[in-house]
Amino acid sequence: DIHMTQSPSSLSASVGDRVTITCRASQSIRRYLNWYQQKPGKAPSLLIYAASSLEVGVPSRFSGGGSGTDFTLTISSLQPEDFATYYCQQAFTTPMSTFGQGTKVEIK
Amino acid sequence: EVQLVESGGAVVQPGGSLRLACAISGFTFDDYTVHWVRQAPGKGLEWVSLLSRDGVTTYYAESVKGRFTISRDNTKNSLYLQMNSLRTEDTALYYCVKDSESRYGVLDYWGQGTLVTVSS
Repeated sequence: DIHMTQSPSSLSASVGDRVTITCRASQSIRRYLNWYQQKPGKAPSLLIYAASSLEVGVPSRFSGGGSGTDFTLTISSLQPEDFATYYCQQAFTTPMSTFGQGTKVEIK
Repeated sequence: EVQLVESGGAVVQPGGSLRLACAISGFTFDDYTVHWVRQAPGKGLEWVSLLSRDGVTTYYAESVKGRFTISRDNTKNSLYLQMNSLRTEDTALYYCVKDSESRYGVLDYWGQGTLVTVSS
């Protein structure tokens, strides 16, 4: 099984800050890595797929990078609506997949 | 508008059974693979199961294999999850999720979830 580890598990940041979340796979997953955002009480929504492709409608302040085992999600200038929990998902073993444990982004 | 609406969540005793349903609209149901993903209270996401477009191919997480059965009725645009031998660790919000198909492994539309509580 491929295990996904996100870091940090939580972070506090201010509006306007640049925020980077890391996701590490236990083995190479090439670029089969997706990112989701989940706001409290809501279902997850897709942000980025294939490591760096922005989903339609997602603001350009979100970006993704990486390949192999190490990936990043960056928010260039944190906005109030970005306070949420972010999950990475490996799709290398599609149709089955696994998620990271999540990173909660909180207001400082 | 794509919509996935789950139902059937309830409080059930350990060892009991429950059948979840997901009503789907806004896309051609039999063109897409569909999944169940769950989230225990205050915890992260766990992929549970998927069913291919034609209803033939299924996959299950090890944690539910042999206890859960996924099925679909393309004539009713509905997805189901039959859950047997329920355990306290199955307590979670269960999401019905659409597969993108065109983008590898992408889960592009999610329902709002239905809550299953396994407790004596």
